[in-house]
Amino acid sequence: DAKTTQPNSMESNEEEPVHLPCNHSTISGTDYIHWYRQLPSQGPEYVIHGLTSNVNNRMASLAIAEDRKSSTLILHRATLRDAAVYYCIPEGGFKTIFGAGTRLFVKA
Amino acid sequence: DTGVSQDPRHKITKRGQNVTFRCDPISEHNRLYWYRQTLGQGPEFLTYFQNEAQLEKSRLLSDRFSAERPKGSFSTLEIQRTEQGDSAMYLCASSLIGGIPETQYFGPGTRLLVL
Repeated sequence: DAKTTQPNSMESNEEEPVHLPCNHSTISGTDYIHWYRQLPSQGPEYVIHGLTSNVNNRMASLAIAEDRKSSTLILHRATLRDAAVYYCIPEGGFKTIFGAGTRLFVKA
Repeated sequence: DTGVSQDPRHKITKRGQNVTFRCDPISEHNRLYWYRQTLGQGPEFLTYFQNEAQLEKSRLLSDRFSAERPKGSFSTLEIQRTEQGDSAMYLCASSLIGGIPETQYFGPGTRLLVL
């Protein structure tokens, strides 16, 4: 199973960009990188995924290193509603393994 | 809304009692997963089904835990003879085989408190 390393917590000001890093140096060549987030008292929700190229969707952008050993989730303008735990997961389906994630605090 | 639903949302029970939780996945999804989440930790995988077949159950925490998905639709997770250490959030997720990648969609969870 691929292992991940994420900062325990990060802080951002509202309306500013946030870059959430993740190291996944043992990722296999065909595994997608998933990001999920978990708002307080809710189940995790899908944010974005990517394989090799950078990806954008309405929630966030995902920047993937050329060697795929790390990735960065980018929230372009953090809002108070983005305060959550963000999980980086280098495998999917029945191989999905959650670490402790990064708790993002957003200051007004 | 046709997302994953779980029932009940909260359950308080006394030590030694049995509890059962239900999960209704997204209707066309054929895989269903159960996770447990304790405070400050990420979700921990317990078991999963592909249609009605339980394909992985070695990570169920003890033989007091069992899960079923009798008709390949909803699933139940039962904990027998509950212990205080079973207090946690129990999460269900579903996904569609063949999705590239296979993304899981989670329910809101059932929060269990064992007194």
